[in-house]
Amino acid sequence: AQSVTQLGSHVSVSEGALVLLRCNYSSSVPPYLFWYVQYPNQGLQLLLKYTSAATLVKGINGFEAEFKKSETSFHLTKPSAHMSDAAEYFCAVSRNYQLIWGAGTKLIIKP
Amino acid sequence: EAGVVQSPRYKIIEKKQPVAFWCNPISGHNTLYWYRQNLGQGPELLIRYENEEAVDDSQLPKDRFSAERLKGVDSTLKIQPAELGDSAVYLCASSPSTGRTAGELFFGEGSRLTVL
Repeated sequence: AQSVTQLGSHVSVSEGALVLLRCNYSSSVPPYLFWYVQYPNQGLQLLLKYTSAATLVKGINGFEAEFKKSETSFHLTKPSAHMSDAAEYFCAVSRNYQLIWGAGTKLIIKP
Repeated sequence: EAGVVQSPRYKIIEKKQPVAFWCNPISGHNTLYWYRQNLGQGPELLIRYENEEAVDDSQLPKDRFSAERLKGVDSTLKIQPAELGDSAVYLCASSPSTGRTAGELFFGEGSRLTVL
């Protein structure tokens, strides 16, 4: 069975610091992986996706993620955090025409 | 291009009352999803439509929840009667197709339900 684990329900970083949000997956077949962002009181928005092409995937708002098969990871990074990045981030894996979601990580940006 | 539209944004009802949520997907998107999201958790799928056909409703609590997608466009999700545990955000999403790229979903802003 496929599953997604996001390490840390809350991550706090200073403005301008590196953002690292962790996601590990379990999958019996090469997965399609996604990161979504949810701003307060809004729906989810696709940040980026991995579909077995390049292992380093660039998304919107300066985010990127690297697929590492050996570590079964798909961590999300951004070199320099901005106050507007404060949101909840969800990692997901595609299975049988639907998404299996992680529990989410709330990113807090300190001024 | 208009996004996924949901209404109402907020709804407060007393338990045992009925409630309905409406969703209009992006034009041309054949696949429509209803999700429920509890506070601090990821979305959980309630039902998925391909055009007007419900192709996955295995997670829909059929004793009190119902959904329809007449004419394969907009959709309604109903709860009757509502229970305290139904308090959550109900998200509608659409996508142009299924297959392994089914993760590219476009979400509405959600309908936040509070059951008192």
